[in-house]
Amino acid sequence: EAGVTQFPSHSVIEKGQTVTLRCDPISGHDNLYWYRRVMGKEIKFLLHFVKESKQDESGMPNNRFLAERTGGTYSTLKVQPAELEDSGVYFCASSGGRGRVSVLNTEAFFGQGTRLTVV
Amino acid sequence: DAKTTQPNSMESNEEEPVHLPCNHSTISGTDYIHWYRQLPSQGPEYVIHGLTSNVNNRMASLAIAEDRKSSTLILHRATLRDAAVYYCILRDGWTSYDKVIFGPGTSLSVIP
Repeated sequence: EAGVTQFPSHSVIEKGQTVTLRCDPISGHDNLYWYRRVMGKEIKFLLHFVKESKQDESGMPNNRFLAERTGGTYSTLKVQPAELEDSGVYFCASSGGRGRVSVLNTEAFFGQGTRLTVV
Repeated sequence: DAKTTQPNSMESNEEEPVHLPCNHSTISGTDYIHWYRQLPSQGPEYVIHGLTSNVNNRMASLAIAEDRKSSTLILHRATLRDAAVYYCILRDGWTSYDKVIFGPGTSLSVIP
């Protein structure tokens, strides 16, 4: 079974440009999460989708970041316009199940990440 | 989310057991103790989790104190591949929707 895949693996863009990151979760997983690790800092939660709905977007840094999950399958994270401080590694994770029962034993599967460099 | 406390770093010799401690003195009755790790240049990966009883799987063992205020991740024979940052995380088992919240973790170095 394929794991969580992220594309691209690396992206180098200039300040002010737009970049779109993509995440394909494990098939059938309702929960999809985005995280970010800025160099030297901890991994920070950005956003949580349940199917196509945003369950929790408390970690989104500002309105330059837009996440979508049309149809409840893959997700995109767009940064527009990109700033220097957006550089880092963006991770996507997915987990299966829904509601109370599934949380008890649900592990999150992470992708390999997209390394974004804004110059 | 309840918080956990871990040492910043630890060292181990290859092929020796490693005990990674975690304190979670404010843990609630419905919190599960999860461990994840992140190998260099990779995404985090799940290691093990438990509620009250000790747990074993192919990767590690998890020893949970009787009062649940602390736990220990045990790698029985450390290999070079086990060098990673290990995260001890509490997840509420009764929240309808939950997320993994990372702290600084413990950076484990394995010495050949």
